[in-house]
Amino acid sequence: QVTLRESGPALVKPTQTLTLTCTFSGFSLSTSGMCVGWIRQPPGKALEWLALIDWDDDKYYSTSLKTRLTISKDTSKNQVVLLMTNMDPVDTATYYCARSRGVAGDFDSWGQGTLVTVSS
Amino acid sequence: DIQMTQSPSSLSASVGDRVTITCRASQSISTYLNWYQQKPGKAPKLLIFAASSLQSGVPSRFSGSGSGTDFTLTISSLQPEDFATYYCQESYSRTFGQGTKVEIK
Repeated sequence: QVTLRESGPALVKPTQTLTLTCTFSGFSLSTSGMCVGWIRQPPGKALEWLALIDWDDDKYYSTSLKTRLTISKDTSKNQVVLLMTNMDPVDTATYYCARSRGVAGDFDSWGQGTLVTVSS
Repeated sequence: DIQMTQSPSSLSASVGDRVTITCRASQSISTYLNWYQQKPGKAPKLLIFAASSLQSGVPSRFSGSGSGTDFTLTISSLQPEDFATYYCQESYSRTFGQGTKVEIK
């Protein structure tokens, strides 16, 4: 059974760096084809893809946010970490991590999401 | 980046109705198109991948079609548990559509 769980701060101040961790089980990120991505959703708004890391440690970023994002993995711990710099109130959202079946694949398993509020 | 446009943005329907949601890509994406269902307060759930393949465990009343730039999600007979928001997503730059909210008439 594939499970993913996001963890990180519920509240960050403007200009701070957000660090989110996705801890997963039921698959290995060292398996060819496996990827983990991050998606966010501001309250009442649509989903927005942020970043993706694949089994070969290749990284992919949203064009609009790539200067602020860093994704990394620790295969031994079954974790993927997302850093987002210079947080702003517009970044307030529920952040999800999800497994992808391939670099150009779907997101077939999702974490429950974690709400991050940006406020001073 | 590829832009994804869903229509309608919302619709009202009754149990038993046939419902169709459309997604259009700003450029050809072959069949690299996925559909998700999201209920309030919950994570999205994959329904259809590669435009027309039904994800394991998803009821057969859900179907997807299309290729190139125009795609459709169809619910053949709407059930009470299907009232939710539906999103398309293309797999090249992983862009999501803006969502279609299916409400009870």
